[in-house]
Amino acid sequence: AQSVTQPDIHITVSEGASLELRCNYSYGATPYLFWYVQSPGQGLQLLLKYFSGDTLVQGIKGFEAEFKRSQSSFNLRKPSVHWSDAAEYFCAVGASGGATNKLIFGTGTLLAVQP
Amino acid sequence: GAGVSQSPSNKVTEKGKDVELRCDPISGHTALYWYRQSLGQGLEFLIYFQGNSAPDKSGLPSDRFSAERTGGSVSTLTIQRTQQEDSAVYLCASSLFQGAYEQYFGPGTRLTVT
Repeated sequence: AQSVTQPDIHITVSEGASLELRCNYSYGATPYLFWYVQSPGQGLQLLLKYFSGDTLVQGIKGFEAEFKRSQSSFNLRKPSVHWSDAAEYFCAVGASGGATNKLIFGTGTLLAVQP
Repeated sequence: GAGVSQSPSNKVTEKGKDVELRCDPISGHTALYWYRQSLGQGLEFLIYFQGNSAPDKSGLPSDRFSAERTGGSVSTLTIQRTQQEDSAVYLCASSLFQGAYEQYFGPGTRLTVT
């Protein structure tokens, strides 16, 4: 069965420090992978996606993620975190084919940013 | 352009009452999804619409839950005889068509069952 694991429930980083949020997936075929961000009281905003091709993908707000098939990972990175990045981050996998195209989400990582 | 909108933003209801949650997808998006976000279960898929038909209802938790979509646009999620465990944020998302996997989410409806 498809699944997504985000091993870190909560992460605190200092403003200006680098960030890496981990995501591992389980999916039999080529996965479509996503990172979404959710600010308090808000819906989900798409940060970036991987469908195929270059395994290093760039997203909005200075985020990037790297797809590593051998490790079944799709970690999210940012070189310098801003206070406004404090939010909850969700990794998701989408079925590549089939009738549904539903997203399977990880449990999320809550990011706190210290001044 | 306008994003996905949902109404109401908040709904408080008494146990046993019926509620209707509305979703207006992005204009021209043929695929529409409902998800539920709760503390215990995280983000869960509920139902998927392609046009007005629902080829995947596998995530609906019980027969108290139903949804419809009319005119290939607006969708309504109905919960009958609400229970306290139905308390959650209900999120709607849309995408351009089935093959486009970028789903755009609305702000959600926070449902509280007392």
